[in-house]
Amino acid sequence: DAGITQSPRHKVTETGTPVTLRCHQTENHRYMYWYRQDPGHGLRLIHYSYGVKDTDKGEVSDGYSVSRSKTEDFLLTLESATSSQTSVYFCAISEEVVQPQHFGDGTRLSIL
Amino acid sequence: DAKTTQPPSMDCAEGRAANLPCNHSTISGNEYVYWYRQIHSQGPQYIIHGLKNNETNEMASLIITEDRKSSTLILPHATLRDTAVYYCIVRALFSSNTGKLIFGQGTTLQVKP
Repeated sequence: DAGITQSPRHKVTETGTPVTLRCHQTENHRYMYWYRQDPGHGLRLIHYSYGVKDTDKGEVSDGYSVSRSKTEDFLLTLESATSSQTSVYFCAISEEVVQPQHFGDGTRLSIL
Repeated sequence: DAKTTQPPSMDCAEGRAANLPCNHSTISGNEYVYWYRQIHSQGPQYIIHGLKNNETNEMASLIITEDRKSSTLILPHATLRDTAVYYCIVRALFSSNTGKLIFGQGTTLQVKP
């Protein structure tokens, strides 16, 4: 299995608080992605990164920001969490854009 | 990226081959077919992908029709651990939304003893 670690695995927080999720990889892959998964919507891309300090938006990026200061770490931040951001968040990595993506085990985030 | 159509659910007896179909009639020449699966509460797992030739790896085989409008994922000897949602995804070599995978509803495969 690809070396991907997501932290925390579970988090409960309150509306309006900032939240940061971390994705750490040991594969030295160039591409990293953040998805969210909700019932009835499947997985949707939030943001992705194609290198250190190189990021771009996905289809559901509003309310989220990302940073990648090192190859191995990709952080997802909810600046001011809302209940609509309650979801399961998955990080994925790929060596190149055309290569398969490999996913982490997810972070279950609940915003009350 | 082309859309895909999969049956919502299928059953398979343990030890038998599981054949999961996918229709992608609007696929274009530079689009690959990818298969992933997601076991309950885990992250999606990559299985296999192909462009136009049949592919096989240690997990499965992928059969793509000559016109590339449909494909079949074959799990040769299904086990209870293969019970999962299987996603067929068509993705261009170079996508306007780089790297984006569009996960549809998939097929829920239930392997029964």
